[in-house]
Amino acid sequence: QSALTQPASVSGSPGQSITISCTGTSSDVGSYNLVSWYQQHPGKAPKLMIYEGSKRPSGVSNRFSGSKSGYTASLTISGLQAEDEADYYCCSYAGSSVWVFGGGTKLTVL
Amino acid sequence: QVQLQESGPGLVKPSETLSLTCTVSGGSISRSSYYWGWIRQPPGKGLEWIGSIYYSGSTYYNPSLKSRVTISVDTSKNQFSLKVNSVTAADTAVYYCARHYDSHWTDWGQGTLVTVSS
Repeated sequence: QSALTQPASVSGSPGQSITISCTGTSSDVGSYNLVSWYQQHPGKAPKLMIYEGSKRPSGVSNRFSGSKSGYTASLTISGLQAEDEADYYCCSYAGSSVWVFGGGTKLTVL
Repeated sequence: QVQLQESGPGLVKPSETLSLTCTVSGGSISRSSYYWGWIRQPPGKGLEWIGSIYYSGSTYYNPSLKSRVTISVDTSKNQFSLKVNSVTAADTAVYYCARHYDSHWTDWGQGTLVTVSS
């Protein structure tokens, strides 16, 4: 099972919107609407931001949204803030009780 | 709010077995619909799912690690454990224990760094 493909880095200015892509295959992202997204600040554990493609857990800002088209899932952060600077990881169910993560994307707020 | 805490040696010699335990507090590990798993992150790299277990003992492993990994659960202690056999430097990573519900990982431990070195 190969890792999902994410851009290594993205950047944006405060107040802008950015989108992080997560590309998989017909075996994972393409077959299930079970993509989740995690935010990880340096030295910290990941934090769930989006699940089942587009659902937000309680307490997560509505500036974070998720979507999917074909084999690619996306995380959009609107109204970018300094505290959004972190690494972001996608994760997808890949069938047969197997899970696969993306390689991670470093978000820089300029 | 459930809390998870990893424990175990921070240094393991090559070819030996890495052993970690995750202690769950604030909730029962036997609660239905929740799975418990291990995820690792090599220094400066991304996350890798290692495997998961249900309180009944059913296990699910990353195919790439399956031959070397064993996950077990002790419901009486509210703990679950990870063993990785025949470790090499490539197994050096921060190891996280986490809880997942259905499709997503809801709660994570703080992580523990395990270094494989002689």
